[in-house]
Amino acid sequence: TQLLEQSPQFLSIQEGENLTVYCNSSSVFSSLQWYRQEPGEGPVLLVTVVTGGEVKKLKRLTFQFGDARKDSSLHITAAQPGDTGLYLCAFDSETPLVFGKGTRLSVIA
Amino acid sequence: ETGVTQSPTHLIKTRGQQVTLRCSSQSGHNTVSWYQQALGQGPQFIFQYYREEENGRGNFPPRFSGLQFPNYSSELNVNALELDDSALYLCASSFTGIGNTIYFGEGSWLTVV
Repeated sequence: TQLLEQSPQFLSIQEGENLTVYCNSSSVFSSLQWYRQEPGEGPVLLVTVVTGGEVKKLKRLTFQFGDARKDSSLHITAAQPGDTGLYLCAFDSETPLVFGKGTRLSVIA
Repeated sequence: ETGVTQSPTHLIKTRGQQVTLRCSSQSGHNTVSWYQQALGQGPQFIFQYYREEENGRGNFPPRFSGLQFPNYSSELNVNALELDDSALYLCASSFTGIGNTIYFGEGSWLTVV
């Protein structure tokens, strides 16, 4: 059983479109992290959300932590080909990071 | 550029063989962890080393073992390779403390045939 469910699993969109990907769980987390992994690279931390209802913005990326701290979303505005990659959410369970399976995003020019 | 380097980047082994993967941590980091990422999956935690001692392990059999050296570099050893061991192996380094960020290397692609 996956502790973190990410959806959709795959997403292919045209450049300029908006999109939202989701990270859901039945568990409550003290914090959630979002990573982006490009082909041939390791995951790179984008943001950590800590407070229920928190919204963080990173240029065209908007991250939201659910009020109950069980879920999170990532919204990308005006997607660009450089946004292509695997988006992973993860929580820090004391020692290791526990990742979801990720959403594989492809932005077509 | 995360400052975490892994070697080799790609390798092919046959079933039953043994493999050693290496990781050089970011300067100043005292904690290293290893993850296995199978195709289409998120990374799965293998184990973590802090100051040369294993201080956490995921659901992996004993044939997955590791070492951390005094300079905080690390090795992952896998014995008796199986086809399902084919994956990207990621090393991550951090400094254990409040608000620490984990930095991943680019990984070692292992194919077992």
